[in-house]
Amino acid sequence: EIVMTQSPATLSVSPGERATLSCRASQSVSSNLAWYQQTPGQAPRLLIYGASTRAPGIPARFSGSGSGTEFTLTISSLQSEDFAIYYCQQYSNWLTFGGGTKVEIK
Amino acid sequence: EVQLVESGGGLVQPGRSLRLSCAASGFTFGDHAMHWVRQVPGKGLEWVSGINWSSGRRGYADSVKGRFTISRDNAKKYLYLQMNSLRPEDTAFYYCARDPSSEPWYFDFWGRGTLVSVSS
Repeated sequence: EIVMTQSPATLSVSPGERATLSCRASQSVSSNLAWYQQTPGQAPRLLIYGASTRAPGIPARFSGSGSGTEFTLTISSLQSEDFAIYYCQQYSNWLTFGGGTKVEIK
Repeated sequence: EVQLVESGGGLVQPGRSLRLSCAASGFTFGDHAMHWVRQVPGKGLEWVSGINWSSGRRGYADSVKGRFTISRDNAKKYLYLQMNSLRPEDTAFYYCARDPSSEPWYFDFWGRGTLVSVSS
């Protein structure tokens, strides 16, 4: 089973600032990586797939990068609705999620 | 409009069984892989099981392998999860999720979830 590790567990950011979230795989997953956003009481929403392709309707301030074992989700200028929990998920060998990063208001 | 509606959750004793169902509508069900994902309230997401469009590929998380069985009925547009030998650590919200591909990749639509509580 591929283990996904996200860091940091919590990220405190001021509105308008840039947020950088990391995700590491225990072995190479190539570009088979997705990112999701989850707000309280809601189902997760797909943000990024293929490590860097935005899902339909996702604002351009969300961008993904990386391949192999190291991945990054960047939110260029945080809006109020972006404070949430973010999960990465690999689909190279079945599926596994990272533990999540909570982005909170500083 | 894509809709996924889970049912079958509830309170069950350890060691007993439960069968979850997911009714799909608003898309061509047989064109998509499908999954079950669970989440303990306040905790992270855990992929439980996935099945490709034809039922020819089925995968399970190590934590449920040998106890849970995923299946689908493309004619009825239903996804199922048979859960046997339930344990307290299986307590969670269980979500049905659609894959944009016919093979298991990731999730683009989710249901609202059904709560499974395993307790004596």
